[in-house]
Amino acid sequence: NAGVTQTPKFRVLKTGQSMTLLCAQDMNHEYMYWYRQDPGMGLRLIHYSVGEGTTAKGEVPDGYNVSRLKKQNFLLGLESAAPSQTSVYFCASSQSGATQYFGPGTRLTVT
Amino acid sequence: GQQLNQSPQSMFIQEGEDVSMNCTSSSIFNTWLWYKQDPGEGPVLLIALYKAGELTSNGRLTAQFGITRKDSFLNISASIPSDVGIYFCAVTGAGSYQLTFGKGTKLSVIP
Repeated sequence: NAGVTQTPKFRVLKTGQSMTLLCAQDMNHEYMYWYRQDPGMGLRLIHYSVGEGTTAKGEVPDGYNVSRLKKQNFLLGLESAAPSQTSVYFCASSQSGATQYFGPGTRLTVT
Repeated sequence: GQQLNQSPQSMFIQEGEDVSMNCTSSSIFNTWLWYKQDPGEGPVLLIALYKAGELTSNGRLTAQFGITRKDSFLNISASIPSDVGIYFCAVTGAGSYQLTFGKGTKLSVIP
């Protein structure tokens, strides 16, 4: 099992550009999550999904959109990137909601 | 939103020493978890606590879920260099799919 994988690992964007981050899990988990991690802030939840075709907002959803068209994939989109979205993005999945398994992260820089 | 207070923020210890860190909240939670994040990696679950008063060990790690359900501690015995990293506590409430993370304790081990 690969667990939770994320692509790409690194990306540099110019302000106003768009991009999509892909998360995939092979554990047949129902729940998937997108977090961002900034220095000194811990992990903050952006959006999450409790099943295929469903999404919900987390603590810091503004400027992001998500889609869960297939159970194993959870996509995070930035329509118009801003420097404030420079961060490390982590995807996680869970069967129960409490015990979450994290991917290796995507380091995004917006200039 | 919910706030978790983790302390200390950072600590430097000699190899072989024991380590203790804790996490407190003003609210009651049903599940407390401890994660470790190695540099450049995603968080990895160390210990999950589901019952007030529960004391659980995982090798050299021991964690307890406080009786009031508002706090937890993590102890590491006989520290080794690979214990270096950031330790996060996280909580979730009854029926919730979401985790709230503390800001982390950064551990450095001096050989």
